Amino acid sequence: DAKTTQPTSMDCAEGRAANLPCNHSTISGNEYVYWYRQIHSQGPQYIIHGLKNNETNEMASLIITEDRKSSTLILPHATLRDTAVYYCIVRVALGNDYKLSFGAGTTVTVRA
Amino acid sequence: DSGVTQTPKHLITATGQRVTLRCSPRSGDLSVYWYQQSLDQGLQFLIHYYNGEERAKGNILERFSAQQFPDLHSELNLSSLELGDSALYFCASSAADRNQPQHFGDGTRLSIL
Repeated sequence: DAKTTQPTSMDCAEGRAANLPCNHSTISGNEYVYWYRQIHSQGPQYIIHGLKNNETNEMASLIITEDRKSSTLILPHATLRDTAVYYCIVRVALGNDYKLSFGAGTTVTVRA
Repeated sequence: DSGVTQTPKHLITATGQRVTLRCSPRSGDLSVYWYQQSLDQGLQFLIHYYNGEERAKGNILERFSAQQFPDLHSELNLSSLELGDSALYFCASSAADRNQPQHFGDGTRLSIL
């Protein structure tokens, strides 16, 4: 019941920017977009989240379109260690609570 | 390091047995979440506790139960184990503000023989 759509996979050259798209056309006005990544079988690692404004931290930048129906995660200078599955997540309502619904994500392979 | 600690890292047991997985949340986080990740399925939400109280249940089997203690650590109990319960079990924690992100531990790999 994931509410986002991401490409299945993408390749990126080491040292180049990686732009990961995500569609979330049914997002409600007060819901955040969260990005996580999972390297092999490690625990998902939080990357960044945003509501409507673009966000940047030490790991990545998040660009959210004005209508909030899509977003792009930007890894500015991809390294081999950025090879992972990247998840774009909008929380799903569960009674009076919410849950993170992980879809299949985008498998990003950074090549030397 | 996310600050979330899970023990044990690996657990091997037999069908029909019972195990307990432990999670210590990040300092100050009141919410604890449990997830299951098996080979053929993605990360599945199991249950959410907030400050000792159950808040939401996801795809958690009746053979599984969880609790959060006054010191905020949480335990996930899995009983009458079946081969299909072999999976990675992750715990995550988050701050009281419900929009804050969840931070995940390194997981417990459970193998049922």
